Amino acid sequence: QVQLQESGPGLVKPSETLSLTCSVSSGSVDTGSYHWFWIRQTPGKGLEWIGRLSYSGSATYGPSLKSRATISVGTSKNQFSLKLSSVTAADTAMYYCARARGFPTFDIEIWGQGTMVTVSS
Amino acid sequence: QTVVTQEPSLSVSPGGTVTLTCGLNSGSVSTNYYPSWYRQTPGQAPRTLIYSTNTRSPGVPDRLSGSILGNKAALTITGAQADDESDYYCALFMGSGVWMFGGGTRLTVL
Repeated sequence: QVQLQESGPGLVKPSETLSLTCSVSSGSVDTGSYHWFWIRQTPGKGLEWIGRLSYSGSATYGPSLKSRATISVGTSKNQFSLKLSSVTAADTAMYYCARARGFPTFDIEIWGQGTMVTVSS
Repeated sequence: QTVVTQEPSLSVSPGGTVTLTCGLNSGSVSTNYYPSWYRQTPGQAPRTLIYSTNTRSPGVPDRLSGSILGNKAALTITGAQADDESDYYCALFMGSGVWMFGGGTRLTVL
């Protein structure tokens, strides 16, 4: 069973760039017809889809973070990363990475456990 | 701006049946949106329940079922149990590589 693990700083200063990495326990992000997601959940609120990296290397983003988020392959092909620029306290959240399947199911198959990021000076 | 809508909260009696819905602020949800459903308990990552409208993930009991009801996707729980008390989220594939979550439904069993 493939597992996903998020990593990165738990504390980021306002106006700086949040950087997170998701490590995939087996396989690489460019094999199989999978999509690699970042999702976040602010305290006490719902899930927000940040964006995805496709197996072909293309990235798409949700409307609310489109201008500040960048999702890309990590330093090795069993990792992918999220960068979120110009963070504010509103970006304080639990950040999840996930693997989703494409056609014909388009579902989130595997979730990471999540990593909490706090934006504060 | 497109918004995926869910009931903020619902309640059900033990043994009862409840239906959670997932709609759009403009337009109808169809199978072409590949609706999926996720359950989240406090402090845990979400777990996938239903995908492609009505396919259960492994290990999900058949008292949970997905469908399209009218212009919305629906998750129906029959024979509600105490451990069904959770937050439930739907997700829709919007096309062009974009997914969206609904705001979530907090289900209380009482």
